[in-house]
Amino acid sequence: NAGVTQTPKFQVLKTGQSMTLQCAQDMNHNSMYWYRQDPGMGLRLIYYSASEGTTDKGEVPNGYNVSRLNKREFSLRLESAAPSQTSVYFCASSARTLQVAYEQYFGPGTRLTVT
Amino acid sequence: QKEVEQNSGPLSVPEGAIASLNCTYSDRGSQSFFWYRQYSGKSPELIMFIYSNGDKEDGRFTAQLNKASQYVSLLIRDSQPSDSATYLCAVNKGNSNSGYALNFGKGTSLLVTP
Repeated sequence: NAGVTQTPKFQVLKTGQSMTLQCAQDMNHNSMYWYRQDPGMGLRLIYYSASEGTTDKGEVPNGYNVSRLNKREFSLRLESAAPSQTSVYFCASSARTLQVAYEQYFGPGTRLTVT
Repeated sequence: QKEVEQNSGPLSVPEGAIASLNCTYSDRGSQSFFWYRQYSGKSPELIMFIYSNGDKEDGRFTAQLNKASQYVSLLIRDSQPSDSATYLCAVNKGNSNSGYALNFGKGTSLLVTP
């Protein structure tokens, strides 16, 4: 069981370039999430997918798009990178029930620098 | 008011002591509470979750929840230098339709000194 995997681990972009961060989970989880983590700001939710076929904005969605490709995969796209998007990006997944929030499991992260 | 608040620390405790980490939250409707540990340069790792008022113990870790006071804490007994990390408190928001996204606090840095 690999859990949650993310690619790439590191990336440097120039302002205006685009890229897609990939995330996959093998735990048969329904819900998947993208966060960014900046010093002093904590983890902030960018987008999430409660179940296959649905996506919703989180706290900081501007400048990003997502695709829930199938139950396993959830990608994050930066269409035109800006220096303000320099951050560490984490993907997470969780089981989903109607009664209670289950714990989220995190991938190893992607460290993105935009120059 | 931030939805989940933690003292940023650093909290320094000697090896073998009890470390007490605290978290307050603003949404009275919250039902699920989580503690994550994050080492520098690594991803958050789940330590414990708690849903009901009272204490929940797992090894050296005890989570305490008081919904009336909107307060959740994590106690680490017999602290070890390897426990030195940032501890993140997370509280659910939303409902089943929203996939139960979590609000995270900014974390408390714990330093256990030999």
